[in-house]
Amino acid sequence: EPEVTQTPSHQVTQMGQEVILRCVPISNHLYFYWYRQILGQKVEFLVSFYNNEISEKSEIFDDQFSVERPDGSNFTLKIRSTKLEDSAMYFCASNTQHSYNEQFFGPGTRLTVL
Amino acid sequence: RKEVEQDPGPFNVPEGATVAFNCTYSNSASQSFFWYRQDCRKEPKLLMSVYSSGNEDGRFTAQLNRASQYISLLIRDSKLSDSATYLCAVKRNNFNKFYFGSGTKLNVKP
Repeated sequence: EPEVTQTPSHQVTQMGQEVILRCVPISNHLYFYWYRQILGQKVEFLVSFYNNEISEKSEIFDDQFSVERPDGSNFTLKIRSTKLEDSAMYFCASNTQHSYNEQFFGPGTRLTVL
Repeated sequence: RKEVEQDPGPFNVPEGATVAFNCTYSNSASQSFFWYRQDCRKEPKLLMSVYSSGNEDGRFTAQLNRASQYISLLIRDSKLSDSATYLCAVKRNNFNKFYFGSGTKLNVKP
């Protein structure tokens, strides 16, 4: 069964450093998403991406964040200057308009900012 | 008011019990509804979509009440392996993003 993959599984970084989180969505999917989950809190939407552009973003997704689909398979989330409060699980998700809208999530990247 | 609200639990039930969770949503424009299961420090995994007419998948039954703006999940004959956090997710069809509830924790005990 096809699945969303994410790398790395755990990223530790110093405050102020840039990080890039990588995702490979399911191959025939058209819509891509990033969510984050701070430990013990709910899953929060960050951004959605379709047709090589951002289709929607939340207030969390400020100028420190960017997304890119550099080739036909990868979907990346960049945080330019990490803050302590960016520590969270970051989940990538994808879906296709023909799948009754459910989204399929990757295993997540645990980001720890020191 | 929060977009989606759930009782955080935990619900502690014995094996074989029947347990039900509710989830309320605040925006009447919400059109698509889902239940996800999340194990500790893992990704949400789709349990089932929730259809207007209600739907059942084995021991799991989901219901939608649009008038009262809530969805429910019923688990019959609970198994130890059902222990997890159950997230409801709501989507408005004009937007792609999901609004998640904070989750309801279920502990099934022998």
